[in-house]
Amino acid sequence: GAGVSQTPSNKVTEKGKYVELRCDPISGHTALYWYRQSLGQGPEFLIYFQGTGAADDSGLPNDRFFAVRPEGSVSTLKIQRTERGDSAVYLCASSLGPYNEQFFGPGTRLTVL
Amino acid sequence: DAKTTQPPSMDCAEGRAANLPCNHSTISGNEYVYWYRQIHSQGPQYIIHGLKNNETNEMASLIITEDRKSSTLILPHATLRDTAVYYCIVRQYGNKLVFGAGTILRVKS
Repeated sequence: GAGVSQTPSNKVTEKGKYVELRCDPISGHTALYWYRQSLGQGPEFLIYFQGTGAADDSGLPNDRFFAVRPEGSVSTLKIQRTERGDSAVYLCASSLGPYNEQFFGPGTRLTVL
Repeated sequence: DAKTTQPPSMDCAEGRAANLPCNHSTISGNEYVYWYRQIHSQGPQYIIHGLKNNETNEMASLIITEDRKSSTLILPHATLRDTAVYYCIVRQYGNKLVFGAGTILRVKS
């Protein structure tokens, strides 16, 4: 079956620009997570959705980062005024519910020049 | 969530069992031990999880000590495709995953 998909796979942008990263979770999965992974480190939690609402956004680094999941399936991570330090792989994961294992997508590699 | 300690790297011969240790001495009673792995340039992959009993599935076995302060992930017959970073995570059910640095497992022929 189809796994978690993320688009684009690679995104190169310039400092100060706005970017959107998309995540398509596994069909029927109610929980969706965003993580960020810098080179040589483990993934770092950003935000968790249960259905349409953000149940935990404690990992968002600042107010330039925002995420939505308006219909409880696809989610978009939005980054305003990008900085070079935002360069990382952004990973999305989904699970059947908050008590189930998470399945990860391949990630979007964001490079801010 | 409790912190975990893993060796930074390990080597294993192809076909042999790979035993990956993890210390989680501050684990609390309602926290589960999860293992994920990440093959180069891919997203993390769920392997197995447990609370206090040993667990086995088609990928691996998880052995948790009686006091729950440590655990071992066992890959019974390692192959070259098992070369990856292995993450041991202690998680309250329903909470986010908190990844450490993990163990780089190199399977060698």
